[in-house]
Amino acid sequence: GAGVSQSPSNKVTEKGKDVELRCDPISGHTALYWYRQSLGQGLEFLIYFQGNSAPDKSGLPSDRFSAERTGGSVSTLTIQRTQQEDSAVYLCASSPSGTEYQETQYFGPGTRLLVL
Amino acid sequence: ELKVEQNPLFLSMQEGKNYTIYCNYSTTSDRLYWYRQDPGKSLESLFVLLSNGAVKQEGRLMASLDTKARLSTLHITAAVHDLSATYFCAVDRLYGNKLVFGAGTILRVKS
Repeated sequence: GAGVSQSPSNKVTEKGKDVELRCDPISGHTALYWYRQSLGQGLEFLIYFQGNSAPDKSGLPSDRFSAERTGGSVSTLTIQRTQQEDSAVYLCASSPSGTEYQETQYFGPGTRLLVL
Repeated sequence: ELKVEQNPLFLSMQEGKNYTIYCNYSTTSDRLYWYRQDPGKSLESLFVLLSNGAVKQEGRLMASLDTKARLSTLHITAAVHDLSATYFCAVDRLYGNKLVFGAGTILRVKS
């Protein structure tokens, strides 16, 4: 497949547990983004990686959230000590470089997280 | 702070009718996007608009941008059932790369 892939597609966890969500961007895309979609807050930016630059973490809602990107490709979003308000669909997107004017972000299918 | 407002939030249309979805944003932005989301699915890119007066069309959908008014419109012509989905507009700043989304417009086309 040529698109952005995410795993798992669904995750159910208990409050207080840690979870890891994975994103594989489109091959060759150097820019990668994480967003969250929830009923109460809509679509929110979380974090942005561009090449080897320091990530823009300005959208992370708390220090329980972290993300890394290994080798400039795959990214993992980690949520520690999950809370019920973390329940949402976590969407990953990628774009070719993050610097081209007419660039579009391509979204993956999302991971639906439910915290019980 | 960049904010995006869409209206209406819900739109029920008859097949064959025309309608427009509006997207207002609060501060100067470099790029405006329209995305479509089907239930349980991810976001599909429809249009990216870059300059004042930009107009793009794909099938029954046409998007336009007025940067002076900070307004984009998504016009639906002769709606068909397949257009039923949620439509989001989003804006960002070049090199900012944080898409700020509107709340979305749920479109239902009735036959």
